[in-house]
Amino acid sequence: EAGVAQSPRYKIIEKRQSVAFWCNPISGHATLYWYQQILGQGPKLLIQFQNNGVVDDSQLPKDRFSAERLKGVDSTLKIQPAKLEDSAVYLCASSPRPGIETQYFGPGTRLLVL
Amino acid sequence: TQLLEQSPQFLSIQEGENLTVYCNSSSVFSSLQWYRQEPGEGPVLLVTVVTGGEVKKLKRLTFQFGDARKDSSLHITAAQPGDTGLYLCAGAVNSGYALNFGKGTSLLVTP
Repeated sequence: EAGVAQSPRYKIIEKRQSVAFWCNPISGHATLYWYQQILGQGPKLLIQFQNNGVVDDSQLPKDRFSAERLKGVDSTLKIQPAKLEDSAVYLCASSPRPGIETQYFGPGTRLLVL
Repeated sequence: TQLLEQSPQFLSIQEGENLTVYCNSSSVFSSLQWYRQEPGEGPVLLVTVVTGGEVKKLKRLTFQFGDARKDSSLHITAAQPGDTGLYLCAGAVNSGYALNFGKGTSLLVTP
């Protein structure tokens, strides 16, 4: 069974530029999560999708971050414009359904904003 | 505000030693999970505990959920270099709600 795929693995941009990350969850998983993991901290949930609907985006900085999950499969997370403090690892995870089900994480995208 | 506090933050031990890491909160959780994250990878689930007082064993790893479901511990017996990584605890206040992660304990086991 293929795991959660993310791309790119690394990205370096200058502040005020835009960037987009892509995630392909495990086939059949209805729930998809985007997390931000700053160096030295645990992952922080940015947004949770159930199929193509948003379940929780309370911690998403909506003035600069956006995410979509068209057709309830792949998802993209965009930052526009980026700030220095956005430097972090962006993790995508999926699970068959919400709850205490196992979340399967992708390898993450490492973003450095200069 | 950090909902889950993990301690210690860093731990460096030699192969064969035992260790315990802690995950504490003032909140009650419906479930708590432990993950291990290796450099350059995403977290991988080790265990989920649901019942207060529950103890689960996974080979040399023993996980305990506090009676009040506010805290948990992970004990590793005879640590090996392969145990090196970042150990994260994560709790769900209610089933179906998002996980809250602690900052993690970074463990280094040297031969």
